[in-house]
This record gives sequence, C-alpha cells and structure tokens, in this order.
Amino acid sequence: SQQGEEDPQALSIQEGENATMNCSYKTSINNLQWYRQNSGRGLVHLILIRSNEREKHSGRLRVTLDTSKKSSSLLITASRAADTASYFCATDDTGTASKLTFGTGTRLQVTL
Amino acid sequence: AAGVIQSPRHLIKEKRETATLKCYPIPRHDTVYWYQQGPGQDPQFLISFYEKMQSDKGSIPDRFSAQQFSDYHSELNMSSLELGDSALYFCASSFRGLSTEAFFGQGTRLTVV
Repeated sequence: SQQGEEDPQALSIQEGENATMNCSYKTSINNLQWYRQNSGRGLVHLILIRSNEREKHSGRLRVTLDTSKKSSSLLITASRAADTASYFCATDDTGTASKLTFGTGTRLQVTL
Repeated sequence: AAGVIQSPRHLIKEKRETATLKCYPIPRHDTVYWYQQGPGQDPQFLISFYEKMQSDKGSIPDRFSAQQFSDYHSELNMSSLELGDSALYFCASSFRGLSTEAFFGQGTRLTVV
C-alpha cells in the first residue's frame, strides 16, 4: 500500500536553480528516508531524518520534517544536470518498523 | 564501501518457469527487504527478514517465497511465473531493522516472456 504522496509529480528546472520536493504520509513514523533513482537503476540512499528531528543537511541537500503535518520536504540547492532522476520518500511507521513504504516519487529534470 | 549485491542483474524466463533471485546484504547488516517495482511505479514491499526470521510481509503472491540464510544472504524464489511478474526486484539491507538507513542493491530486472 502507498504511504506517501509526493508533490509535484514532475519538476523541470534549469541548472543552478533550487528544486523542492514534498512528501506527505499518513501514519505515525519512526523515521523518513529520501532516495534517488535514475531511470531503471537502483535506489540511492540520500538522507534519513528521524521523527524527533526537524531539519537535516547533507551537502546540497536539505530535508525538513513536520510530524504534525505528516510531511517532509527535500531541497536540492544549485542543481546540476546530474541531479536529473526520480526522488522518493520512504517511511517506516511505528506500527511495524519492519518495512519502508514509498511515496509515488517526483521526477526531476534539470536542463542546461 | 561494500554495497548490497544482487544477482543476477538481468533474467529472462518463460511463463510458468521458476526464478531465484539472490541478495547479499552489506556486511554486518542483519535485516533484508525485498521490493518489486513495475515500470513508472514506486517500489512495492514484498517481504522482510530480521535475524533470519520473517519480520513483515506485503503484497507477495503465494507463488513467491523467500528466506534469509545463516550468513544473512537472502533468496527470493518465484514459481509459475506470469507476464505480470516482469519488473525490477530490489533488495535492501539495514542494521537492526529500520533504526538505521536501508541501502538498496542495483536490482534484478526480470522479464517474463
């Protein structure tokens, strides 16, 4: 079953711009993870944010988590053509903590 | 750093045949997850194991079975294959369940013809 909805479903920006992707989920969670996937390739782990954290940074990535709104955002600053990929959020809910449930993903296109 | 290894990377099978997908987790990881991803879809959870015991089960057909072995590698066995089983199959591993990051392998692309 699908836990999260991602917004927007597709995003097209120019190199150097910032990209913001949002994820909403339905249940109480322990943590939320963001992944990147190039077409037909594997899922690359980007960042994990725990339910008691509000913001986390990793390089050009900034993730926020609002558990009261059951939502998270991923900001990629100074985007590059190589950032072109699909981005997924995945949550593990407090009920099971034994599986990740993925959102529908945002397809990001970064053009030169 | 060592990653999750899946084999084979590509597999072509005929309808009604059997397939076995293998997953070797990152060293010291004790938890394995299997996912199925159809074209243009998000990954769907199949099954997970923690310390060689099944920990959760998703939308896994009865034709599929899986196990985690004493060395923590896992195998997904798929029988009576159907055209609709064609998909990318991912394995992920983590240490002590989802209290830590889950890392994915490159996937096995299964094509059923």
